[in-house]
Amino acid sequence: DVKVTQSSRYLVKRTGEKVFLECVQDMDHENMFWYRQDPGLGLRLIYFSYDVKMKEKGDIPEGYSVSREKKERFSLILESASTNQTSMYLCASSFPRGRNQPQHFGDGTRLSIL
Amino acid sequence: ILNVEQSPQSLHVQEGDSTNFTCSFPSSNFYALHWYRWETAKSPEALFVMTLNGDEKKKGRISATLNTKEGYSYLYIKGSQPEDSATYLCAFKHGSGNTGKLIFGQGTTLQVKP
Repeated sequence: DVKVTQSSRYLVKRTGEKVFLECVQDMDHENMFWYRQDPGLGLRLIYFSYDVKMKEKGDIPEGYSVSREKKERFSLILESASTNQTSMYLCASSFPRGRNQPQHFGDGTRLSIL
Repeated sequence: ILNVEQSPQSLHVQEGDSTNFTCSFPSSNFYALHWYRWETAKSPEALFVMTLNGDEKKKGRISATLNTKEGYSYLYIKGSQPEDSATYLCAFKHGSGNTGKLIFGQGTTLQVKP
């Protein structure tokens, strides 16, 4: 079974802090994604990566950056956390090719910025 | 802007009721349509990946249909059980799909009362 592991289930940080959310997958997937989920909204894509050291902005990249130094690890960075970044963050991974490839998700990190 | 709409936003049914929800997506440049189930405190889990117009997929009491020409998919649950309570997400993949990027609807939250 594919395992996508996010480093924390719950995290509380202060405004202005630099925050790191880590995600590791064990299935050698090329694609990795970071989403956030807010009430009443669908999953919104922040950043994605289709290879090591490659990244592309999603729909809401402002205030975030990412790092992919190794294939299995994709980190989301909040450069200077703000209260509007309080949210549920989900990491996912998938193979890039083939029409039938689903995304595999981690359990999510509920991040509160005080 | 590509938009994916799900209806209804939430649904409360009694155990044993059958139910269905709708996902609407752009009918042009279709590549694939995904359905995920997201139970509280768990990670979203892929139910179906559908690629062909007229596709019907089934997994136990849950089934889905796809109409790519008119841009909609239905998810059906027959004889709902309390363990079916979850948020059901659909996601649309367009174009060549090489990046694996999905556009999610806002979800339908189902509550099944015993």
